Amino acid sequence: LAKTTQPISMDSYEGQEVNITCSHNNIATNDYITWYQQFPSQGPRFIIQGYKTKVTNEVASLFIPADRKSSTLSLPRVSLSDTAVYYCLVGDGGYKLSFGAGTTVTVRA
Amino acid sequence: GAGVSQTPSNKVTEKGKYVELRCDPISGHTALYWYRQSLGQGPEFLIYFQGTGAADDSGLPNDRFFAVRPEGSVSTLKIQRTERGDSAVYLCASSLSPSGRGETQYFGPGTRLLVL
Repeated sequence: LAKTTQPISMDSYEGQEVNITCSHNNIATNDYITWYQQFPSQGPRFIIQGYKTKVTNEVASLFIPADRKSSTLSLPRVSLSDTAVYYCLVGDGGYKLSFGAGTTVTVRA
Repeated sequence: GAGVSQTPSNKVTEKGKYVELRCDPISGHTALYWYRQSLGQGPEFLIYFQGTGAADDSGLPNDRFFAVRPEGSVSTLKIQRTERGDSAVYLCASSLSPSGRGETQYFGPGTRLLVL
């Protein structure tokens, strides 16, 4: 499974855009990039998944450059309720999800 | 609709005791997964069920850990002779079918196990 590196923590303020970059230098051809969100005392929740270029849904956008060695999760206009841990996962879409330590995003008023 | 539920939400036990943790998956989901999450870390895979059978138990740390899913719905994770190092949050997830690309795993809130 491809190893990922992401910042340990990020701080932001309400209304700002938050961008979290994940490095995955040894990503394989068949690998997809998936992001999960985890609130305190809850299980992780799927946010978005992509293979290349850009993916957007109602929650976030995922930007993947051509070499796919990194990806950036973009959260538009965050609110206090977006305070959570965000995990970047890289894999072939199989059932065995491999989580790292994630990025703790703290949104302040 | 109802999500994945886990009981108990918290469990405190003494070293050497036996514990059972229960997971109720989303109705109709054939695939069920158990993960363990230590403080400050991401979840780690333990075991995967497809229907009633354990398709992959490679993540179980040792033979003190065992899980069953006798009717293909509810699952129980069993830990014998608990040790202090077993203290963690045990997460259960389910999916409509075996997870592949685009098949989302839905997680429960977890059971917080503390072994004294």
